[in-house]
Amino acid sequence: DAGITQSPRHKVTETGTPVTLRCHQTENHRYMYWYRQDPGHGLRLIHYSYGVKDTDKGEVSDGYSVSRSKTEDFLLTLESATSSQTSVYFCAIKYGVDYGYTFGSGTRLTVV
Amino acid sequence: TQLLEQSPQFLSIQEGENLTVYCNSSSVFSSLQWYRQEPGEGPVLLVTVVTGGEVKKLKRLTFQFGDARKDSSLHITAAQPGDTGLYLCAAGFGNEKLTFGTGTRLTIIP
Repeated sequence: DAGITQSPRHKVTETGTPVTLRCHQTENHRYMYWYRQDPGHGLRLIHYSYGVKDTDKGEVSDGYSVSRSKTEDFLLTLESATSSQTSVYFCAIKYGVDYGYTFGSGTRLTVV
Repeated sequence: TQLLEQSPQFLSIQEGENLTVYCNSSSVFSSLQWYRQEPGEGPVLLVTVVTGGEVKKLKRLTFQFGDARKDSSLHITAAQPGDTGLYLCAAGFGNEKLTFGTGTRLTIIP
């Protein structure tokens, strides 16, 4: 199993503050993804990356940015957190074509 | 935007009973995956199906991919409390992204 860790696991932040979530993998998988999970909406793709410095938007990318300066790290930044961004955030990696995703354990973010 | 609908949203049954959950798409998909998620954890992949009409079995779980590649089902035989969780289907539509359904929350009552 590829090691994939997310940090922090829990965070409470105030509206208007910037927040960065980190996803780290221990193998050189090319594809990495950030999803948010909300009741009634399932998992929705925020951004994904297909290589160092190569990223693209998902269906709910507004208010979020990402960076991938190294293969193993994929960062998700909320430039100015809002209450609507309270959610559980999951990072995932993909092994290859026709393979599924391996997910991290998630970051529970609360914006107050 | 491709949509994946799962039904039922919630299902609560007695231990030992059988059940089926469904995943339907508005578009043809190239691959379909099923995941199970437990509280406080990320989803865990159960199976991937890529061929229309394909059937895969994983112990008491049977996964079917519809001939038209727009639907899939998960059947559990003799459900056990350990089967409790959120079941998610996820479809690939020919690119590097997956679209997830909203999930079926299954509770098995001992």
